[in-house]
Amino acid sequence: AQKVTQAQTEISVVEKEDVTLDCVYETRDTTYYLFWYKQPPSGELVFLIRRNSFDEQNEISGRYSWNFQKSTSSFNFTITASQVVDSAVYFCALSLNTDKLIFGTGTRLQVFP
Amino acid sequence: SAVISQKPSRDICQRGTSLTIQCQVDSQVTMMFWYRQQPGQSLTLIATANQGSEATYESGFVIDKFPISRPNLTFSTLTVSNMSPEDSSIYLCSVSPGAGFAEAFFGQGTRLTVV
Repeated sequence: AQKVTQAQTEISVVEKEDVTLDCVYETRDTTYYLFWYKQPPSGELVFLIRRNSFDEQNEISGRYSWNFQKSTSSFNFTITASQVVDSAVYFCALSLNTDKLIFGTGTRLQVFP
Repeated sequence: SAVISQKPSRDICQRGTSLTIQCQVDSQVTMMFWYRQQPGQSLTLIATANQGSEATYESGFVIDKFPISRPNLTFSTLTVSNMSPEDSSIYLCSVSPGAGFAEAFFGQGTRLTVV
């Protein structure tokens, strides 16, 4: 069975702090995709990144970076120098091939000024 | 990429009634997915809708409660039947364009409140 675990229910930081959101996944498939989505208070889902199981390179996009480690089945997301606009719920998700997404329970990030 | 138009964006309904949510995609896609997000919760897949065949429902969801139509490759509807306050949720339509897709695309969601 497939599963995504986001152990951090809620994180609060002060602006300009760095914050890491953890994601641990479970699957026996060798081909899979991992995602991060942001859901701001307005409710829409904003795509952040997709990573396939054969690409373990870490990625950096501006203040965002992702650390994919197959050895620990983790796909962690770090926001550097957090801003108030980063306040949202962040979901990690797993997909096998091109099928449905299995979402983690989400981490609510609150960034205070 | 794919642009998804979902409507209504929100509705307040009386218990015992039904609501049909529409999802229109700007390109042809094989699979469309319907998710439910209960208040403060994560997204849970309701069913997968393929054109020309019956929808495939996930455990805990049944066709009588959530009938789905998929008349063509760009459109689908989800009906929430005989609603109760427990059905108050955000319902989201999603598409996966196929192999090699960069992301799963989501509609803006339908925020349903049952009173």
